[in-house]
Amino acid sequence: GAGVSQSPSNKVTEKGKDVELRCDPISGHTALYWYRQSLGQGLEFLIYFQGNSAPDKSGLPSDRFSAERTGGSVSTLTIQRTQQEDSAVYLCASSWTSDEQFFGPGTRLTVL
Amino acid sequence: GEDVEQSLFLSVREGDSSVINCTYTDSSSTYLYWYKQEPGAGLQLLTYIFSNMDMKQDQRLTVLLNKKDKHLSLRIADTQTGDSAIYFCALRGGNKLTFGTGTQLKVEL
Repeated sequence: GAGVSQSPSNKVTEKGKDVELRCDPISGHTALYWYRQSLGQGLEFLIYFQGNSAPDKSGLPSDRFSAERTGGSVSTLTIQRTQQEDSAVYLCASSWTSDEQFFGPGTRLTVL
Repeated sequence: GEDVEQSLFLSVREGDSSVINCTYTDSSSTYLYWYKQEPGAGLQLLTYIFSNMDMKQDQRLTVLLNKKDKHLSLRIADTQTGDSAIYFCALRGGNKLTFGTGTQLKVEL
């Protein structure tokens, strides 16, 4: 399809394990964003990539969270030593300009 | 940081107009957005408005922006059952969007 895709759609993990979430942006979009949607915190910005510039990591909640974007396309969000409070839906978005962000369906992460 | 507030719930009858409100604290945003989220789905951009505009109409949707009062609203005319969803306002500041708390719209027959 032509939209933003994310995998897996659901992930259940045990506390303390590491997880990787993947985002495939729309082809040609130079900007990529990660957000988190949780019951207690609503929708929160996590990190932003634009082309080859250094990413804006200002929204990452702790040093257990990291993300990379390889070749200016696919991005992986990694959460190390997961905690129960990391349970949320992780949303990825991409855009050509900053005007309009197109969102993927999200990955629902459950930490037991 | 930016604080963006919305009412949690709104219930309307099919065919009536719905008005979803959003208030914010930071007036420096250049773009203000409305997104729709249906159960189990991602966010769908409905419409957006530039900060130098007061109103924007797009088919059944009307966005009103009152910068003085820091108030944004979304009016849906002739609301249908398919409009039932959670609606988020969002403000663009720098590289990121700051989202409101979301309003769950329920459309009753």
